[in-house]
Amino acid sequence: NAGVTQTPKFQVLKTGQSMTLQCAQDMNHEYMSWYRQDPGMGLRLIHYSVGAGITDQGEVPNGYNVSRSTTEDFPLRLLSAAPSQTSVYFCASSYSNRLSYEQYFGPGTRLTVT
Amino acid sequence: AQSVSQHNHHVILSEAASLELGCNYSYGGTVNLFWYVQYPGQHLQLLLKYFSGDPLVKGIKGFEAEFIKSKFSFNLRKPSVQWSDTAEYFCAVKPHTGTASKLTFGTGTRLQVTL
Repeated sequence: NAGVTQTPKFQVLKTGQSMTLQCAQDMNHEYMSWYRQDPGMGLRLIHYSVGAGITDQGEVPNGYNVSRSTTEDFPLRLLSAAPSQTSVYFCASSYSNRLSYEQYFGPGTRLTVT
Repeated sequence: AQSVSQHNHHVILSEAASLELGCNYSYGGTVNLFWYVQYPGQHLQLLLKYFSGDPLVKGIKGFEAEFIKSKFSFNLRKPSVQWSDTAEYFCAVKPHTGTASKLTFGTGTRLQVTL
């Protein structure tokens, strides 16, 4: 199993540009989520999905869109990039969001918005 | 909504010293608790978790954590740290109920182990 994969690893955008961060998992996990990691702020949940066709907002959803058309993929779209979105983005998945199932994290995408 | 506090932002220890990292959470109901570690340049991986039962939980690489319900705490400990333990450590809490309950992370503690 490849686990959770993310592309690209690095990206530089200009203010106002849009892009999609890709996330895929091959573990048939039901639950997927996106976090951003900023210094001194830990990881904050952007959006999550409890199954194909079902998504919901997390703690910091503004400026981001998601969709979940398949179990495997959970792309994160930046609609109009802003410098405040400079961050490291992690995708995670788990078998289920119930109980204490572990979340598996991808390697991250480091995004810089100039 | 739940929240997690990690009061130690940056800890520097010599090799072989003992480690205790604090984690406190606020939530009125039953929770699952986790410690994740992020080694330099790598992604987060699970160190240990508490679900129910024995409040003293043992994880990988000699780490353990104790859940003290009355104090809303889940402190991470290791009797003797190694240079390879240099990493950032995140405590996280997840309400026990509901398919949409969310994992909330603390702000992290950066551990630096010197030789």
